[in-house]
Amino acid sequence: ILNVEQSPQSLHVQEGDSTNFTCSFPSSNFYALHWYRWETAKSPEALFVMTLNGDEKKKGRISATLNTKEGYSYLYIKGSQPEDSATYLCAAPIPNSGYALNFGKGTSLLVTP
Amino acid sequence: DAGVTQSPTHLIKTRGQQVTLRCSPISGHKSVSWYQQVLGQGPQFIFQYYEKEERGRGNFPDRFSARQFPNYSSELNVNALLLGDSALYLCASSLGRVASTDTQYFGPGTRLTVL
Repeated sequence: ILNVEQSPQSLHVQEGDSTNFTCSFPSSNFYALHWYRWETAKSPEALFVMTLNGDEKKKGRISATLNTKEGYSYLYIKGSQPEDSATYLCAAPIPNSGYALNFGKGTSLLVTP
Repeated sequence: DAGVTQSPTHLIKTRGQQVTLRCSPISGHKSVSWYQQVLGQGPQFIFQYYEKEERGRGNFPDRFSARQFPNYSSELNVNALLLGDSALYLCASSLGRVASTDTQYFGPGTRLTVL
């Protein structure tokens, strides 16, 4: 199973700050990378599915980039708001298990007013 | 549209007991996956089912089993519960295409506590 790592483990920023965190994965046998946002007491919510090297995807103030050659993806949040507080997870598909997902441990983001 | 639903939301069991967790996928989704999440870790893959067939299994002991029904709902069974089985159990559904880009949609989870 692909080893997916995320950093930092947690992050505390002030409202209005921009922030970013990293997901790293083995660059060989790359299929896709999934990003999820998981707010407390809610279900994990899909943000992006990224497949191509150099991909950049955007959803509101959140964007993500992908570098498959070096095996990393960045998630950026511009002008963080308290409602962005959540755990952000990245995951790589497991090819011999119907592409079920192998998740990193997540980055826990707290945005305070 | 209804999302993925899971029942029960919370469950307390004692060591050695057996538990059954239930999941109903989004309408039109044919694949269901189960994950276990413990504090400080990301969700860990347990099983994936598609059209009632097991399509994948994670690194879990044989005490864990699952099945999928003709209406695509699914059950996860855990026998001989151990304290270490205490976790949030998440169910996710997807269209079922065998594609690395198939998005999985998660339910709210069942919180299992083993005493």
